[in-house]
Amino acid sequence: QVQLRESGPGLVKPSETLSLTCSVSGGSLNFYYWNWIRQPPGKGLEWIGSIYYTGTTNYNPSLKSRVTISLDTSKNQFSLKLTSVTAADAAVYYCAGVGNYFGYWGQGSLVTVSS
Amino acid sequence: EIVLTQSPVTLSLSPGERATLSCRASQSVTSSYLAWYQQKPGQAPRLLIYGASTRATGIPDRFSGSGSGTDFTLTISTLEPEDFAVYYCQHYGHSPPWTFGQGTKVDIK
Repeated sequence: QVQLRESGPGLVKPSETLSLTCSVSGGSLNFYYWNWIRQPPGKGLEWIGSIYYTGTTNYNPSLKSRVTISLDTSKNQFSLKLTSVTAADAAVYYCAGVGNYFGYWGQGSLVTVSS
Repeated sequence: EIVLTQSPVTLSLSPGERATLSCRASQSVTSSYLAWYQQKPGQAPRLLIYGASTRATGIPDRFSGSGSGTDFTLTISTLEPEDFAVYYCQHYGHSPPWTFGQGTKVDIK
């Protein structure tokens, strides 16, 4: 059974960089797509982007200029960096896999943006 | 970018009733690459349906999906108490970005 778990700071200052890591257990990163999705409090879901096990990435055009998703296959992890954050980036951030629809989800990581 | 519009926004029903949720796409969804998720408060979404009509592993058969092209439906044949939640559709068709509908909340009448 594949399990995902997000980790990272719960508080980020405006204009700084949000960094989160997703640790994958019970399976390999190989042959699958791995995604980041976010949900502002009380709102709907927004796909941020994905990375294939080969390292190929796709990003939501609305965030593309600020987003980087990377893989660390040695640690069975993938990561999200979002630069120049504002209050609009405050949300629960989920990692999800294993394809372009999402059968596995982490529990979510709440990120607050405040000075 | 494909925009998904779900209706109704809220559906008020009683346990035992049938729920019919709609998801309409702004353009045709390639090969019926449409998924449905259930989300309860404080929890991550759970995959119910993919490929418009295939139930994910462990999903009860009271959940069914149908549709093609631009119109898709999630039906819950007989509502159980644990089914009251928010439901989202998502397309994952020809090319990203993958988008979600705004959600339909099924609440207790």
